[in-house]
Amino acid sequence: KNEVEQSPQNLTAQEGEFITINCSYSVGISALHWLQQHPGGGIVSLFMLSSGKKKHGRLIATINIQEKHSSLHITASHPRDSAVYICAVPRGETSGSRLTFGEGTQLTVNP
Amino acid sequence: ETGVTQSPTHLIKTRGQQVTLRCSSQSGHNTVSWYQQALGQGPQFIFQYYREEENGRGNFPPRFSGLQFPNYSSELNVNALELDDSALYLCASSSRQEFHTQYFGPGTRLTVL
Repeated sequence: KNEVEQSPQNLTAQEGEFITINCSYSVGISALHWLQQHPGGGIVSLFMLSSGKKKHGRLIATINIQEKHSSLHITASHPRDSAVYICAVPRGETSGSRLTFGEGTQLTVNP
Repeated sequence: ETGVTQSPTHLIKTRGQQVTLRCSSQSGHNTVSWYQQALGQGPQFIFQYYREEENGRGNFPPRFSGLQFPNYSSELNVNALELDDSALYLCASSSRQEFHTQYFGPGTRLTVL
């Protein structure tokens, strides 16, 4: 069992739909990252959160530390949101932080 | 804008060859992490360098090695390339003060034939 698991693996939506991507983890963490990866490979950090909720534009990330679960929501989805969304948790607080990643959710938003 | 750059962007090698990938950290960052991302999978941690010393290693064989230079730029070297080494190699820089925040480069796509 992976330390970080995401669902769904693939998600297809119509423009304007509300999107939810889920992430569960099995290790104790102090923070969780949501990242976006476009075709070609570059990774962009969307959020880092350790409790509650964060919002940036149409993106909302929530985390429940007790339940070891986080969600990424996209409101009013748009074709330009099509990308792979990855959650990741840092491992190793004192010796340097390495990220353990989920396998990603491929999101396709059709016009 | 991340400021993390990687070179080359694409590379084709054959089995048994050696390859060197390069990463230039974001200004002020003294920690560099390298990740391997196979097609359709999430990135896997290879190793991390802090102040020119290896500071943690993932489950990769010794033929994966690295260097960090005084200006905090870094190299990833892979010897005796295997077909399964074909992947996107990502580096990420961070600072000790904000070690949870990592800034990723665009990656190097390595193909081993």
